[in-house]
Amino acid sequence: SQTIHQWPATLVQPVGSPLSLECTVEGTSNPNLYWYRQAAGRGLQLLFYSVGIGQISSEVPQNLSASRPQDRQFILSSKKLLLSDSGFYLCAVTSVDSLKVTDTQYFGPGTRLTVL
Amino acid sequence: GEDVEQSLFLSVREGDSSVINCTYTDSSSTYLYWYKQEPGAGLQLLTYIFSNMDMKQDQRLTVLLNKKDKHLSLRIADTQTGDSAIYFCAESIGGDDKIIFGKGTRLHILP
Repeated sequence: SQTIHQWPATLVQPVGSPLSLECTVEGTSNPNLYWYRQAAGRGLQLLFYSVGIGQISSEVPQNLSASRPQDRQFILSSKKLLLSDSGFYLCAVTSVDSLKVTDTQYFGPGTRLTVL
Repeated sequence: GEDVEQSLFLSVREGDSSVINCTYTDSSSTYLYWYKQEPGAGLQLLTYIFSNMDMKQDQRLTVLLNKKDKHLSLRIADTQTGDSAIYFCAESIGGDDKIIFGKGTRLHILP
């Protein structure tokens, strides 16, 4: 089974500063990778997903961007953070289980971002 | 369109059964999921059901699917304090790479 790492675990950044959140996956190859944001008291918002190296689909236009430089590495970035970027950022991976044949998503531990 | 709806809060006494309900709109759903999120943590997959099934049981968890009404429920028997969390309902659409999540139901356990 796969293991998903996210860092940092928590981050406090001033408005206008850059951002880089990293997600790496072990134990699987050619996964689909996802970035979600969970704002306080709200559900999950899909930000980006990637089906392969260099392939990024953006779900919500905003000041964030994503990149996938390697098969099992997914990076979320911003050049200038806004107050509204505060939230809990979750990376997820789709693992197609050969027995269950399901595109179940598994989540990393998350990064808590506070923009002041 | 794609939409997954669930109530935001549920309070249950310890030892009673909890039933968390969810409705979805896309009839082409292939799999339906229940995830659990404890405070400050990522989402943990609890269980899933294929859309051609109507029930799945796993220890204290029972999932019921009414495909005609597009209604999914999660029953937790003998609810314990460790069950206190946010529960997300989600659906995957055949041929799509995305999973659609509900906003989550916060389960509160009363002593």
